[in-house]
Amino acid sequence: QKEVEQDPGPLSVPEGAIVSLNCTYSNSAFQYFMWYRQYSRKGPELLMYTYSSGNKEDGRFTAQVDKSSKYISLFIRDSQPSDSATYLCAMSGVQGAQKLVFGQGTRLTINP
Amino acid sequence: DAEITQSPRHKITETGRQVTLACHQTWNHNNMFWYRQDLGHGLRLIHYSYGVQDTNKGEVSDGYSVSRSNTEDLPLTLESAASSQTSVYFCASSDGGTDTQYFGPGTRLTVL
Repeated sequence: QKEVEQDPGPLSVPEGAIVSLNCTYSNSAFQYFMWYRQYSRKGPELLMYTYSSGNKEDGRFTAQVDKSSKYISLFIRDSQPSDSATYLCAMSGVQGAQKLVFGQGTRLTINP
Repeated sequence: DAEITQSPRHKITETGRQVTLACHQTWNHNNMFWYRQDLGHGLRLIHYSYGVQDTNKGEVSDGYSVSRSNTEDLPLTLESAASSQTSVYFCASSDGGTDTQYFGPGTRLTVL
């Protein structure tokens, strides 16, 4: 069983929809949670960073962490075609340890 | 602007040849990482370095080596390329203060 599980999709939704992307994990030591966005044929770029449980909002994006359920989510409101990309969750147990464990990535397409 | 670059961007080689992929960052980050990205596996850590002369094995290090002689560069060497090493390779760096990693644009390697 992988430490981090992420549904690879693909996921296709109409423009303006609310998108929910999720990851589950098995290692209770994980405390730092990230979402990366990766456009086609590009490197991943950090989208959201959260510590421990709770929510974090940045514009149209909200990251949610539920450590009791070992479940993290990324919500995208008012989705745009420019949000079409692969979204990867990543997590680590010790800040600065720098060893991230990534999910497989979910390929998202927003249809105009 | 600080950046992380990889070269070459595309490479085709034959089984058994030695191949070196370059990674150069101008962030002055101590930490550097090499990942491979394959369908169904997401990003997997090959090797990483926390500073000059420091190197460590990651999850999928067999058949790969790295050396760190300065802060800016972490070249990845495939000692005897195999078809199973056909993949997209990403280099990343971080400053150690957080777990945020900055990724290069990737190298697409094909081993025939």
